[in-house]
Amino acid sequence: QQPVQSPQAVILREGEDAVINCSSSKALYSVHWYRQKHGEAPVFLMILLKGGEQKGHEKISASFNEKKQQSSLYLTASQLSYSGTYFCGARTGSGGYQKVTFGIGTKLQVIP
Amino acid sequence: GAVVSQHPSWVICKSGTSVKIECRSLDFQATTMFWYRQFPKQSLMLMATSNEGSKATYEQGVEKDKFLINHASLTLSTLTVTSAHPEDSSFYICSALTGQGAYTEAFFGQGTRLTVV
Repeated sequence: QQPVQSPQAVILREGEDAVINCSSSKALYSVHWYRQKHGEAPVFLMILLKGGEQKGHEKISASFNEKKQQSSLYLTASQLSYSGTYFCGARTGSGGYQKVTFGIGTKLQVIP
Repeated sequence: GAVVSQHPSWVICKSGTSVKIECRSLDFQATTMFWYRQFPKQSLMLMATSNEGSKATYEQGVEKDKFLINHASLTLSTLTVTSAHPEDSSFYICSALTGQGAYTEAFFGQGTRLTVV
């Protein structure tokens, strides 16, 4: 079962902040975040492995609440280049039985 | 970061023919690779998990006889769409896991856009 993402779409003005949430009905081994621009393959942003873990890259950061089986992606002071569709990937299982399934995606558009 | 190369990027084939898509990890070994398909404006749908040296694990609803996956080496997995039909037209993407434990990351190939006419 794929993770649930919210919101489905958001429009921001440059410099504004946004939060994208991802929740799973299954226990999560890790959470992956990707951004995909139209017609291109997804680009890896970050992976969170442990409950409580937080990571950041430039002005994009994420947290992982293992108990709640949730992750959130934070975009601060958004730039035009942040536009795209953001997917969270839930990794379940381990070894040869692991798989990564993706949420439906959150379409983010940053306007001047 | 690690590089995953997918080939071809675009392919147009006639209905009834087969198409092979390659996914290579160029600078790392990948024991596990994933194959996804994506329809326009939709999310990535996991088709199967490919493990080196063993049979692929297919997701429910994915025909294993139609989508043949071979992971013959630690750097190469192939997806063959057999007897392709127009409804198989889609964007197919592979990804590979590298690292272990806390250092695990996943990287995507550039995708293959398949059009069956």
